Amino acid sequence: KAGVTQTPRYLIKTRGQQVTLSCSPISGHRSVSWYQQTPGQGLQFLFEYFSETQRNKGNFPGRFSGRQFSNSRSEMNVSTLELGDSALYLCASSLGATLNTEAFFGQGTRLTVV
Amino acid sequence: QQQVKQSPQSLIVQKGGISIINCAYENTAFDYFPWYQQFPGKGPALLIAIRPDVSEKKEGRFTISFNKSAKQFSLHIMDSQPGDSATYFCAASTGGNTPLVFGKGTRLSVIA
Repeated sequence: KAGVTQTPRYLIKTRGQQVTLSCSPISGHRSVSWYQQTPGQGLQFLFEYFSETQRNKGNFPGRFSGRQFSNSRSEMNVSTLELGDSALYLCASSLGATLNTEAFFGQGTRLTVV
Repeated sequence: QQQVKQSPQSLIVQKGGISIINCAYENTAFDYFPWYQQFPGKGPALLIAIRPDVSEKKEGRFTISFNKSAKQFSLHIMDSQPGDSATYFCAASTGGNTPLVFGKGTRLSVIA
């Protein structure tokens, strides 16, 4: 069974640009969550999608957005990039209708903003 | 406001020793407590998880101890091996559809 796939693995962008990251969950999983991981703040929750609907949202500015498609694949977008957006962006998928089930993480996308 | 406090930040243990990582929480509504292991360049992987109806759960060399009254839970790694060297995160969530809240992580180094 294939795991959670995130693309691309690495990205370098310039301040002010926008970026789109992709996540393909494990087959059959309908919930996809996104986290930002930085050395100083650890893992911080961005948002979660279930059946194409945003079900939860963390405390990030509106520059961070996401969506989920009918095949459960998800994308997140960051507009007007800032240096502080440099981080590892992780996607996690889970099977059930609740988040309180086993979540599987992808390897992440390492975003560097210069 | 950090809802899950993890300690220590880093830990060095001799091969064969016991590694202990602690987490404390404030939100009494939390009812799911997983531990994740992360190697460099990889995403976190679920190690073991516990719910508050039990005080201990063991899977191989990994044990979670849970103290509901103290609002604390800990991960014990018995017979620690160099291959266990990684960053460990505790997390918690409430019932239903709320996201995981993570501790800040513990970098474990097991030396021979």
